[in-house]
Amino acid sequence: ELKVEQNPLFLSMQEGKNYTIYCNYSTTSDRLYWYRQDPGKSLESLFVLLSNGAVKQEGRLMASLDTKARLSTLHITAAVHDLSATYFCAVSTPQGGSEKLVFGKGTKLTVNP
Amino acid sequence: GAGVSQSPSNKVTEKGKDVELRCDPISGHTALYWYRQSLGQGLEFLIYFQGNSAPDKSGLPSDRFSAERTGGSVSTLTIQRTQQEDSAVYLCASSLDPNQPQHFGDGTRLSIL
Repeated sequence: ELKVEQNPLFLSMQEGKNYTIYCNYSTTSDRLYWYRQDPGKSLESLFVLLSNGAVKQEGRLMASLDTKARLSTLHITAAVHDLSATYFCAVSTPQGGSEKLVFGKGTKLTVNP
Repeated sequence: GAGVSQSPSNKVTEKGKDVELRCDPISGHTALYWYRQSLGQGLEFLIYFQGNSAPDKSGLPSDRFSAERTGGSVSTLTIQRTQQEDSAVYLCASSLDPNQPQHFGDGTRLSIL
């Protein structure tokens, strides 16, 4: 059974600082997703990582994937208050064509002025 | 509409009643997913539809839960004889095909009294 673990679950940081969120998964998978969720809102797709060594960047966020280590990271550079949200990683479990996602528990990020 | 649409946005009902939740996927998206988000369990996969194929029901927690997708578009998730532990946000997602990112609706917040 595929398990996905994120850490930390809670992260409070100052504006301007850098930090990394980690996502480990337990079995082989061919794609990993990062989503953002604001309070009371739905999930917004941030990144799709499809291969070993994949790196994607959007603004102050950069995601990478190491399939051999079964690890993805979401790096935050020079955080700003607008990045405050909960971030989820999700790993696909291809099963008979079904791309159902297994989610981590999420990292609640608070960026303080 | 441009995104996945879910209705109702909120539903409060008494224990033992049946409820129906509706999802309108993005036009042209062949894959449709239902997930449940609760404080205790995080985000859990429930069921997946792809075209005319048999749905993947492996995530449904009990036989009180069922879902259908009519005409390859709108989907309805039905919960019979609701229990308090069914209280959660039910999220619907769709994708162009199983290999593309899933786009989520705003969810239905279900509260069982």
